[in-house]
Amino acid sequence: DAKTTQPPSMDCAEGRAANLPCNHSTISGNEYVYWYRQIHSQGPQYIIHGLKNNETNEMASLIITEDRKSSTLILPHATLRDTAVYYCIVRVTNFGNEKLTFGTGTRLTIIP
Amino acid sequence: DSGVTQTPKHLITATGQRVTLRCSPRSGDLSVYWYQQSLDQGLQFLIQYYNGEERAKGNILERFSAQQFPDLHSELNLSSLELGDSALYFCASSVTRGGTDSGNTIYFGEGSWLTVV
Repeated sequence: DAKTTQPPSMDCAEGRAANLPCNHSTISGNEYVYWYRQIHSQGPQYIIHGLKNNETNEMASLIITEDRKSSTLILPHATLRDTAVYYCIVRVTNFGNEKLTFGTGTRLTIIP
Repeated sequence: DSGVTQTPKHLITATGQRVTLRCSPRSGDLSVYWYQQSLDQGLQFLIQYYNGEERAKGNILERFSAQQFPDLHSELNLSSLELGDSALYFCASSVTRGGTDSGNTIYFGEGSWLTVV
């Protein structure tokens, strides 16, 4: 799986949009970009994923650049409960290689 | 609630002992994954089972073993426990349709806290 680079930590004011960047310059054509978060020591929580197009769901939006070498996760109106470690993962899903490989992620702190 | 159930939630045991962690995947999911998270190592992939058979192996110690049963639940067995095995152990599951389908989202349980004393 391609390696990703994320800032180790970020702060965001409550109620503002949190924009979390991720670089994946060696991503292959068949690799998807997945985002998970881990709140304290809970199980990692799936947020969103995409291949080429921008994606949006009830939790967040995912913006992938045209060359697919980077992406941004957007939490539109951050709340204190969004304080967590956010992981950007690129992944193929072909047989025998479905696992997720976690890096160190970005520790997002929402400031009241 | 992800639909993945892990038991026990907390476990304290002595060095040299053996424990079994249990995981029930989401309904319909054929793949089960085990991860270990210790303070200094982050989330480490241990092993994956698909429909009862081992599919992929990560940095799993020889003292650890896993299996997936016909009803698709899985167990992770940890033996000859050492202090360094103290960690959170997560189980996760996915449908695993194969090919390049993006629908193989993996969902995690809440983990089992293992403390070895």
